[in-house]
Amino acid sequence: GESVGLHLPTLSVQEGDNSIINCAYSNSASDYFIWYKQESGKGPQFIIDIRSNMDKRQGQRVTVLLNKTVKHLSLQIAATQPGDSAVYFCAENTHAGGTSYGKLTFGQGTILTVHP
Amino acid sequence: SAVISQKPSRDICQRGTSLTIQCQVDSQVTMMFWYRQQPGQSLTLIATANQGSEATYESGFVIDKFPISRPNLTFSTLTVSNMSPEDSSIYLCSVVWGDRGGVIYEQYFGPGTRLTVT
Repeated sequence: GESVGLHLPTLSVQEGDNSIINCAYSNSASDYFIWYKQESGKGPQFIIDIRSNMDKRQGQRVTVLLNKTVKHLSLQIAATQPGDSAVYFCAENTHAGGTSYGKLTFGQGTILTVHP
Repeated sequence: SAVISQKPSRDICQRGTSLTIQCQVDSQVTMMFWYRQQPGQSLTLIATANQGSEATYESGFVIDKFPISRPNLTFSTLTVSNMSPEDSSIYLCSVVWGDRGGVIYEQYFGPGTRLTVT
């Protein structure tokens, strides 16, 4: 399949290491954030989300951290596996008022490569 | 979660022609959206597909170029009209799943339609 990450930042890790992918957002009104994983030739896959009233949320092998002061979001993947290799996008949304549901603003993306 | 399918999965089209992309969801959803992903870039929202009314377009996108239909709560189409090579992109359907009040809310994407215009 074609790659959609030809011009994106890259992160290379060894299998078993922990990975940290960072994202800066610009809209201080954003109150909902999502991380997506996109494998070659596929659509974005929902990984984890977090609301602005939280600063940390954990899933299976993944943790999202939100720092609203500096408008920074990170995705931590524990014990990274070759199957985690993909492009990772952060996305932000504003739910307040209910008029912007679904209207995501995406970050530029990061290519994660996991070496066996 | 919602399962989203798109047709066609990919196509190669000649400039000046139009292509209609279909999006089918396996359950009724309130909100459906169309996004574009240009080569090597991130996703950009084209429009919100409103059931029973005209779509709502984002800045830079117009109905004449990207007409959208949404006849029911499980189906939508996006047409890319009078295509040029600059329209070569992945076009993705997206739905919001869950309680709009925010108790349960996730947003899913279809597999995308890879369009190449020659």
